[in-house]
Amino acid sequence: DAGITQSPRHKVTETGTPVTLRCHQTENHRYMYWYRQDPGHGLRLIHYSYGVKDTDKGEVSDGYSVSRSKTEDFLLTLESATSSQTSVYFCAISESGYANTGELFFGEGSRLTVL
Amino acid sequence: RKEVEQDPGPFNVPEGATVAFNCTYSNSASQSFFWYRQDCRKEPKLLMSVYSSGNEDGRFTAQLNRASQYISLLIRDSKLSDSATYLCVVTLTDSWGKLQFGAGTQVVVTP
Repeated sequence: DAGITQSPRHKVTETGTPVTLRCHQTENHRYMYWYRQDPGHGLRLIHYSYGVKDTDKGEVSDGYSVSRSKTEDFLLTLESATSSQTSVYFCAISESGYANTGELFFGEGSRLTVL
Repeated sequence: RKEVEQDPGPFNVPEGATVAFNCTYSNSASQSFFWYRQDCRKEPKLLMSVYSSGNEDGRFTAQLNRASQYISLLIRDSKLSDSATYLCVVTLTDSWGKLQFGAGTQVVVTP
């Protein structure tokens, strides 16, 4: 299995508080992604990174920010959590841009509940 | 309309039987197609790519129908371990080729 670690794996927080999810990889892959998964929806891309300090928005980026200061770490921050951000968050990595192979390696997910 | 649509199921399949299900996509210029598998409360994992001519991987067969804009997955001789949600994935045609995920089809294989 690809070396991807997400933390925390479970978190319950209150509306209005900041939350940071961490993704750590040991594969030295260039590309990293944050997705959210909700019932009835496919995985939706929040933000992605194509290198250190190089990030861009996905389709559901409002309310989220990211940072990548090292190849191995990609942080997702919810500046002020809302109940609509209750979800399962998956980090993923790929060696090349996934348009080439379609293969993403996912972390185990972080389950976030915002009360 | 969603870019990628799947029947959520569940498809209840007796062990040893065959099950097939489709996924439709709306963008006729979609380039590449994949099936991912996701076990309950686990992360998705790539099952197989879908090639224009169709392809097999053991008991799994994937087909692409560009004219009708759907892909299919067929599972033969179903095993209990095939119980999972199968995600259809399509790459769109913008310069970055982002992956578009369907919401998944649940398959439950029963003894």
